[in-house]
Order: sequence, then structure tokens, then C-alpha cells
Amino acid sequence: DTGVSQDPRHKITKRGQNVTFRCDPISEHNRLYWYRQTLGQGPEFLTYFQNEAQLEKSRLLSDRFSAERPKGSFSTLEIQRTEQGDSAMYLCASSEIRARHTEAFFGQGTRLTVV
Amino acid sequence: AQSVTQLGSHVSVSEGALVLLRCNYSSSVPPYLFWYVQYPNQGLQLLLKYTSAATLVKGINGFEAEFKKSETSFHLTKPSAHMSDAAEYFCAVSESGTYKYIFGTGTRLKVLA
Repeated sequence: DTGVSQDPRHKITKRGQNVTFRCDPISEHNRLYWYRQTLGQGPEFLTYFQNEAQLEKSRLLSDRFSAERPKGSFSTLEIQRTEQGDSAMYLCASSEIRARHTEAFFGQGTRLTVV
Repeated sequence: AQSVTQLGSHVSVSEGALVLLRCNYSSSVPPYLFWYVQYPNQGLQLLLKYTSAATLVKGINGFEAEFKKSETSFHLTKPSAHMSDAAEYFCAVSESGTYKYIFGTGTRLKVLA
């Protein structure tokens, strides 16, 4: 397994356009998370899936954002009507469910630039 | 509510010198604590984690951290810095058994030749 994979690595889009990012988690991981990281800040939690169920969404996830994880495998994060404030690195992570807490493994991220 | 404070957004050390990156946490329940490293335009890589076992935790690349409940701290150390340690380091906290990390704002480590 090559780890968490994210596509694309970079995306430049014009304000008002829609964008979609994809995340492929580590194959045996049933938890998947999306984070957003802006310049000079740590990652901020956006949303979380356990299998195909979206169990929590942050207040940061406005109604322009939607995430899906059909069949509990890969996930997509869509941003509609992008704004300049959406420019950030979008990180995906995955983890297993165990009796004891395990760490999340992160992908390399998708850097979004809205012009 | 949980939070993490990383003191010092930038730290510079000479190659071979001690690395000390500070992290203080706030949590009303026993925390799980993590240190991650991020290289430019890359994702985050786990260095080490504290999950209520030993208070001194050893991680990869010679890093270690000590959980001190009385000081609510989880500082990251390495006895001798290497040029390849130059990166951004993030401390994170999560509640026991949960999945959501609260990250600090990060500390950028610069290693001087």
C-alpha cells in the first residue's frame, strides 16, 4: 500500500468555479478525515467519515462545501462557487478503528489557489 | 474545549545542537497527544504519540517527547539537530478514543550549518 493518495496535488481555479478533490485512503482504513490548512496555520478539521457515513461536519464547512464517501472507499470534497478565502491546502487522512486510539495517516494534500 | 499552544513560531538551532520545540495543551479529559512533521508542500508525517502509557515517548528520527501532566506540556526534543530536520512541526491533541485532532499553529525549525 502506498499510503493516502490525493488528487490533484495542485489546482488553480477562477473565483466562482466549482472544484472537486479526491482522496484514496489506506485500503484497510475505515475512517477518513478532511482538514484544511491555510498559510501559517495548523490543519483545521473539516469533516469525518466512518465507512460511508459522514459523522461530523465542522462549522468551517459552509453550505458551499460537500463531501462524500460512496461505498466507504475513496472520498471527494467539492467546493462550489469558490471564493479567494477558499485558497488553502486540503489534507485528507485515514485511520483504523481499534480498541485503542491510533493515529491518522495524512496524504500529501491538494493545494487550491483561487484567483 | 481542547486546545494546543506552540510557543515560538520559528526556532533556529545549529547543526548538532539540542532541539527543543514547546507544546502546551488544554484538555478536560485525559488527552492523546501527537507530534507531526511537515516538509514543504507535503502532508504530515507522525513523529510520535502519547496515549497514556509511558510518559516519555520515543519517536522516529531520534525525536522524543515527555508528557508532563502537572505542566500540561508535551515538548519535543532531539539531542543533536541534523540539516534534514529542517521542517515545520505540529503538536496536536485529541480526546481519548476520538478521531478529531486540534493542531497547534506550528513551529518552523531552521537548522544552521
